[in-house]
Amino acid sequence: DTGVSQDPRHKITKRGQNVTFRCDPISEHNRLYWYRQTLGQGPEFLTYFQNEAQLEKSRLLSDRFSAERPKGSFSTLEIQRTEQGDSAMYLCASSLGDRGLAETQYFGPGTRLLVL
Amino acid sequence: AQRVTQPEKLLSVFKGAPVELKCNYSYSGSPELFWYVQYSRQRLQLLLRHISRESIKGFTADLNKGETSFHLKKPFAQEEDSAMYYCALRKYAGGTSYGKLTFGQGTILTVHP
Repeated sequence: DTGVSQDPRHKITKRGQNVTFRCDPISEHNRLYWYRQTLGQGPEFLTYFQNEAQLEKSRLLSDRFSAERPKGSFSTLEIQRTEQGDSAMYLCASSLGDRGLAETQYFGPGTRLLVL
Repeated sequence: AQRVTQPEKLLSVFKGAPVELKCNYSYSGSPELFWYVQYSRQRLQLLLRHISRESIKGFTADLNKGETSFHLKKPFAQEEDSAMYYCALRKYAGGTSYGKLTFGQGTILTVHP
């Protein structure tokens, strides 16, 4: 499978614990995006990288959230001191950008987080 | 700030009937509009984009800048069209694509036999 992969697919944690998710983009895709999706809502943008540079962060991304893409390949999203409100599906997408109007974001299967 | 609204959370039709999924947006600049689809147990995938002006799986969508709408239409719905559909917007200005997508809340389409 050469699509975007995410690990783990499911994570259950207790409030206050730290969690880390990993995303592996499609090979040679230089843009990588993180979105969060809560029940009944569409995906909401969190942050994105062009290569290793983090170009934009949403105001949704509190200081408990940090994302990295150290070598411009895979990315990690860490949530510190998790809260029940962090329970959501975390989606990763990658693209060959900037191709202007031709850029297509390809999504991974997501990591479902449940904070107890 | 940009916003995408899908007024229908649920839409049910019978096989062979026409279907229209509504999408309205607000954005002051030039938007790119997309429809993404998520079939059961599958990942989110691009269905079509306004710039392509193509029909995918019998679906079409026309960008109406006057009404700020991008409704998705299919003349004869099929059972395999049952899925969650998301309308999404991306900013485009001055030759630069602003990568993040702004999604609507989604519409669950159910096509009954």
